[in-house]
Amino acid sequence: EIVMTQSPATLSVSPGERATLSCRASQSVSSNLAWYQQKPGQAPRLLIYGASTRATGIPARFSGSGSGTEFTLTISSLQSEDFAVYFCQQYNNWPPFTFGGGTKVEIK
Amino acid sequence: EVQLVESGGGLVQPGGSLRLSCAASGFTFSSYAMNWVRQAPGKGLEWVSSIGGRGNSPYYADSVKGRFTISRDNSNNTLYLQMNSLRADDTAVYFCAKARSAEFFDYWGQGALVTVSS
Repeated sequence: EIVMTQSPATLSVSPGERATLSCRASQSVSSNLAWYQQKPGQAPRLLIYGASTRATGIPARFSGSGSGTEFTLTISSLQSEDFAVYFCQQYNNWPPFTFGGGTKVEIK
Repeated sequence: EVQLVESGGGLVQPGGSLRLSCAASGFTFSSYAMNWVRQAPGKGLEWVSSIGGRGNSPYYADSVKGRFTISRDNSNNTLYLQMNSLRADDTAVYFCAKARSAEFFDYWGQGALVTVSS
């Protein structure tokens, strides 16, 4: 099973600032990585797939990069609606699909 | 518009059973693999099970293998999860999720809470 590790667990950022979230895989997942956003009491929402492709309707301030074992989600200028928890998920070797533990982006 | 609506959650005693349903609309249901993903209170996401568009290729997480059964009714656009021998650590919100290309999840339901407690 591929273990996904996200860091940091919590990121405190001021509105308008840049946020950089990391996701590491225990072995290569090529570019088969997705990012999701989850707000309290809501279902996750797909942001990025293929490590860097934005899903339909996702603003351009969200970008993904990386391949192999190291991945990054960048939010270029945080808006109030972006404060949430973000999860990465690998789909290179499954079953099982595996998720990272999440990064909470909170208001500084 | 894609919609996924789960139902069937509730309180059940340890060792009991429950069946979750997920009613799908807004897309050609039989063309897509479907999944169940759960989230224990205050925790992260855990993939539970997957099934192919034709009802083929069911897969399960080791934590539920032998206890849970995934199925689907393509004539009624509904996904199911039969959960038997429930344990306290099965307590979670269970989401159904549509697979975009069998591998990542582009639409999610709002979730159904399952609480296993005596």
